[in-house]
Amino acid sequence: EVQLVESGGGLVQPGGSLRLSCAASGFTFSSYSMNWVRQAPGKGLEWVSYISSSSTIVYYADSVKGRFTISRDNAKNSLYLQMNSLRAEDTAVYYCARESSGYYVDYWGQGTLVTVSS
Amino acid sequence: QSALTQPASVSGSPGQSITISCTGTSSDVGGYNYVSWYQQHPGQAPKLMIYDVSNRPSGVSNRFSGSKSGNTASLTISGLQAEDEADYYCSSYTRSSTWVFGGGTKLTVL
Repeated sequence: EVQLVESGGGLVQPGGSLRLSCAASGFTFSSYSMNWVRQAPGKGLEWVSYISSSSTIVYYADSVKGRFTISRDNAKNSLYLQMNSLRAEDTAVYYCARESSGYYVDYWGQGTLVTVSS
Repeated sequence: QSALTQPASVSGSPGQSITISCTGTSSDVGGYNYVSWYQQHPGQAPKLMIYDVSNRPSGVSNRFSGSKSGNTASLTISGLQAEDEADYYCSSYTRSSTWVFGGGTKLTVL
């Protein structure tokens, strides 16, 4: 069974940093591209970042470019999101999402809440 | 990248059919057959319902179907059931090799 379990969320002050982790199991992690998707309270889904299976290709949404860094450790079956210079508008549930062999997300984690507030 | 356009809400009675539209541009919806649809119940993670415009994953009811015409994709749910009440999001691959989601549609089963 595919499982994606996020951790690392919490309350952080504006300008602060946070590192999210996603532990993957039930599939060959190193064979799949991964994404982070977020959802602000009461709002819709927003794609945040993408990383290819071998980490050679990464993409970011304009809203986080230069502040967030996506990475992965295939030996540890883990995905990460380093978030710096956090703003109030970054407050959201952050989902780890597996990209299928095609062009869609087929599995989602349960999410971890990040709250940016003083 | 601007979000895809979906109606904020739709409603229907049990047994009826409803359609949710998702409008983008030639750089996303219109340019690729890579539109997917997700269902999200309150407090839960999204669930894949349709991929590549019209394909259903294993385990998804055949009451759910997808289509596309030009820059607009559509999700149709036939034989509405109470458990279909949820938020629905479309998503498309884009020319920038990124993803874009729609704003979401709240489905109410009357």
